[in-house]
Amino acid sequence: DIQMTQSPSSLSASVGDRVTITCRASQGISNYLAWYQQKPGKVPKLLIYAASTLQSGVPSRFSGSGSGTDFTLTISSLQPEDVATYYCQKYNSAGTFGQGTKVEIK
Amino acid sequence: QVQLVQSGAEVKKPGASVKVSCKASGYTFTGYYMHWVRQAPGQGLEWMGWINPNSGGTNYAQKFQGRVTMTRDTSISTAYMELSRLRSDDTAVYYCARARIEYSSSGLVDYWGQGTLVTVSS
Repeated sequence: DIQMTQSPSSLSASVGDRVTITCRASQGISNYLAWYQQKPGKVPKLLIYAASTLQSGVPSRFSGSGSGTDFTLTISSLQPEDVATYYCQKYNSAGTFGQGTKVEIK
Repeated sequence: QVQLVQSGAEVKKPGASVKVSCKASGYTFTGYYMHWVRQAPGQGLEWMGWINPNSGGTNYAQKFQGRVTMTRDTSISTAYMELSRLRSDDTAVYYCARARIEYSSSGLVDYWGQGTLVTVSS
């Protein structure tokens, strides 16, 4: 089974900072990679799919990149409402998630 | 608008079974695979499997094979997930989530149910 590994597991940054989260697949998955945001006590929300395509309604400060085994989620200017845990997911077959990255405001 | 409404919280004893329902509305139920994802307290998301509401075909994560059964009732646009031989580490919120792409078994999901807390305790 393909494993998804995220780093870091948590981070703290200031409002306005650029934040980058990394996701690595144990085998190549082309661009079948999604990112979800889960705010405390809420249901996960799809942010990005196909590694870099923004889901409708998602702010443009979120972006994704990568292909094969290495992917990144970038928040260009961190906002207070971005406090959440972010999960990557490979979805070409099955739907394995990474372990999550908790983002907090410093 | 697309809505997925799940059944209420459950408390079960170890060894018992639980069946969670997910009623869909706002779209053609048979056109989109339904996935199930769980989240233990304070933990990450874990994909459990999917059901094709059109054919009834299923695909389960290896970890749950032999213990999970996903079914559907197309007459009431409802999907079900039953987990048997419950253990304490099955305590989690269970979500149903609709596939984003019509007629696709891909794990990409866009709409989620509100979640059902299943507590396993003696």
